[in-house]
Amino acid sequence: NAGVTQTPKFQVLKTGQSMTLQCAQDMNHNSMYWYRQDPGMGLRLIYYSASEGTTDKGEVPNGYNVSRLNKREFSLRLESAAPSQTSVYFCASSGGQGNQPQHFGDGTRLSIL
Amino acid sequence: ILNVEQSPQSLHVQEGDSTNFTCSFPSSNFYALHWYRWETAKSPEALFVMTLNGDGKKKGRISATLNTKEGYSYLYIKGSQPEDSATYLCASMKTSYDKVIFGPGTSLSVIP
Repeated sequence: NAGVTQTPKFQVLKTGQSMTLQCAQDMNHNSMYWYRQDPGMGLRLIYYSASEGTTDKGEVPNGYNVSRLNKREFSLRLESAAPSQTSVYFCASSGGQGNQPQHFGDGTRLSIL
Repeated sequence: ILNVEQSPQSLHVQEGDSTNFTCSFPSSNFYALHWYRWETAKSPEALFVMTLNGDGKKKGRISATLNTKEGYSYLYIKGSQPEDSATYLCASMKTSYDKVIFGPGTSLSVIP
């Protein structure tokens, strides 16, 4: 009963390093999302993918890239990490069209020094 | 970008009290409104998704209403319990297959 799985759970990077956050869902969902959560700011959408093969920018896409590898997997890449990207990152998926609830992973806590 | 607002920002109530929160969203091109419950150190969990004006949903002691013409939704908790302590998020979507934008949340603390 995995649902949405994110890896890693924790990561510490140095400024300028790159890394990819992985997300996979086993619910056959069409839509997948990446959010960041910062104190006092709720969840802000970074990128989303309405279906396999498509990706679109959210509210805060700068400094990030995404890949919808297949229907199950949606990765988020930081090419050159900056301290401002220190955050908790959540991946979510839904059945699509927006009238279905989102199911969230457990989050990745990322610190950039 | 859609602007979704929630009030109050935080709320402290006694066990047994009933309470309600408000979510405001732009009413133009409305498609769907979501409510989530987010406990500390966990991930958000869906409560309701509503799409129709006048729609009402209920799950145990929690219920929600939707007014798409004026752009607001209310979440009600009847007889609050300590386990209801969480942040309650609403999120709105303008068109299908579009991005869901979250509000900043209402933090509820229920005092035993």
